[in-house]
Amino acid sequence: EVQLVESGGGLVQPGGSLRLSCAASGFIFSNYWMGWVRQSPGKGLEWVANIRKDELEIYYVDSVKGRFIVSRDNARSSLYLQMSSLRVDDTAVYFCVRWGLRGAVDYWGQGSLVTVSS
Amino acid sequence: QSALTQPASVSGSPGQSITISCAGASSDVGAYNFVSWYQQHPGKTPKIIIFEVTDRPSGVPDRFSGSKSGNTASLTISGLQAEDDADYYCCSKRTDSAYVFGTGTKVTVL
Repeated sequence: EVQLVESGGGLVQPGGSLRLSCAASGFIFSNYWMGWVRQSPGKGLEWVANIRKDELEIYYVDSVKGRFIVSRDNARSSLYLQMSSLRVDDTAVYFCVRWGLRGAVDYWGQGSLVTVSS
Repeated sequence: QSALTQPASVSGSPGQSITISCAGASSDVGAYNFVSWYQQHPGKTPKIIIFEVTDRPSGVPDRFSGSKSGNTASLTISGLQAEDDADYYCCSKRTDSAYVFGTGTKVTVL
């Protein structure tokens, strides 16, 4: 059974940093593109970043470029999102996702809430 | 990177058909057939219901169907059922290899 379990969320002040982790199981992690999608409270979905299985291609939404870094450790079947210079509008539930279908997400984690507030 | 445009809400009675539009541009919806649709019930994680414009993952009822014309994609739900009451989001790959979601549509089954 495919499982994606996020951790590392919490309350952080504006300008602060946070690192999200996603532990994957139930599939060969190194065979898949992975990524992060976020959803602000009561709002819609927003694609944040994708990373190719060998890390040779990485893409970000414009609003996080230069502040967020996505990475992966295939040996540990883990995905990470290092977030810095956090802003109030980064407040959201962050979902770890697997891009298992052509151009589509087939599995979602339960999400990790990041709250940026003073 | 503007969100794709969806109607805020669509409603229908049980058994009816409804269609949700997803308007994009030649740099996203119009560029590829990598359009997908997701269903999200309150408090739940999204679930894929359509990928590559028209394909349904196994287990998704055939009352869900997708199409595309030019820069606009559409999701049709035929024979609306009570459990279809949910939020729906489209998503498309862009020519810069980023992805963009739609603004989301609240479907209400009357």
